[in-house]
Amino acid sequence: AQSVAQPEDQVNVAEGNPLTVKCTYSVSGNPYLFWYVQYPNRGLQFLLKYITGDNLVKGSYGFEAEFNKSQTSFHLKKPSALVSDSALYFCAVSGFSGGYNKLIFGAGTRLAVHP
Amino acid sequence: GAGVSQTPSNKVTEKGKYVELRCDPISGHTALYWYRQSLGQGPEFLIYFQGTGAADDSGLPNDRFFAVRPEGSVSTLKIQRTERGDSAVYLCASSSAGTQGEEQYFGPGTRLTVT
Repeated sequence: AQSVAQPEDQVNVAEGNPLTVKCTYSVSGNPYLFWYVQYPNRGLQFLLKYITGDNLVKGSYGFEAEFNKSQTSFHLKKPSALVSDSALYFCAVSGFSGGYNKLIFGAGTRLAVHP
Repeated sequence: GAGVSQTPSNKVTEKGKYVELRCDPISGHTALYWYRQSLGQGPEFLIYFQGTGAADDSGLPNDRFFAVRPEGSVSTLKIQRTERGDSAVYLCASSSAGTQGEEQYFGPGTRLTVT
């Protein structure tokens, strides 16, 4: 069965430091991978996606993610965290056989950036 | 332009009652998705529409749940004989054409509470 794992419930980072939010996946076929962010009382916002090509993808607000096929990972990164980055982050996958374009999400990781 | 809108933003109902949740996708988007997000979890897929037809309803938990999109734009998720376990945030998303790897744009959700 297809699944996405976000092994950390929460990540704490000091402002200005680099951040990493981890994601691993298990799907058949070649996946399409996404990161979304959820702020309180707001809908999910698309950050970035990997379809094919360069393993390092860049997205909104200075975020980037690296696709690693051998490790089946798609970790989200940012070189210098901001307090305003504090939110709930979800990794998601689609593109698996028979799945059309439906997304399977991880459980989410809460990012807390401290001044 | 306008994003995905959902009404109502909050709905409180008694166990056993019928509810309807509405989604208005981004204008021109042919693909529409419903997800359900329980507390502390990532969104779970319910149903996907391509135009007026339900292309994939494999995520609907049982026959109390039903969704329609009669004119290929607005969609309504209908829940009969609500149960306390139906309490969750119901998210709607749309995408331009429903092709593989396309990002989905989410609405703010409807928080359903069944008492």
